[in-house]
Amino acid sequence: DVVMTQSPLSLSVTLGQAASISCRSSQSVLYSDGNTYLNWYQQRPGHSPRRLLYKVSNRDSGVPDRFSGSGSGSDFTLKISRVEAEDVGVYYCMQRSSWPITFGQGTRLEIK
Amino acid sequence: EVQLVESGGGLVQPGGSLRLSCAASGFIFSSYWMTWVRQAPGKGLECVANIKPDGSEKYYVDSVKGRFTISRDNAKNSLSLQMNSLRDEDTAVYYCTREGGGLDYWGQGTLVTVSS
Repeated sequence: DVVMTQSPLSLSVTLGQAASISCRSSQSVLYSDGNTYLNWYQQRPGHSPRRLLYKVSNRDSGVPDRFSGSGSGSDFTLKISRVEAEDVGVYYCMQRSSWPITFGQGTRLEIK
Repeated sequence: EVQLVESGGGLVQPGGSLRLSCAASGFIFSSYWMTWVRQAPGKGLECVANIKPDGSEKYYVDSVKGRFTISRDNAKNSLSLQMNSLRDEDTAVYYCTREGGGLDYWGQGTLVTVSS
């Protein structure tokens, strides 16, 4: 199985400041079709996860442009340029380049 | 609007069985892989099983192989998860998800509690 490792596991950020979450995979998540199926999810307290970014850097509809993704191969980053109160929650990276689909452990974001 | 609505969760004793259902609407159900993902209380996300659009291929995580069966009825836009020989560690919220470039839509989840 592809192991996804996130860091840090918790993050305390002042409103308006930037935040960054790292995600590393135990092997490349570049798929044979040339796509890198690395997604980022946000789970607000008491809610289902919501996809923010797909294939590394593509924002889903309705996701603010404060959220951006980058990386390749086995090293990826989610950045939030200016954290807002509504960003509180847990963030997960996920790979679907091979079965089983696997997730990182999650990074808990709180406001300082 | 895409909607996924799970049902069937509840309290069951260890060794018991439960069948989860997911009613899908707002998209062409028969065109998408579908996946069950679970989340134990206070824990992270774990993909449990997924199924090809026509139902001809199914995949399971090792921890549920031989105990869980995923199935779908494209005529009824419905996804199911039959769970047998349930264990304490199967206690979780189970989410029905659609695979559109990764898991793009999630249901609200249904809670399964395995306890004596």
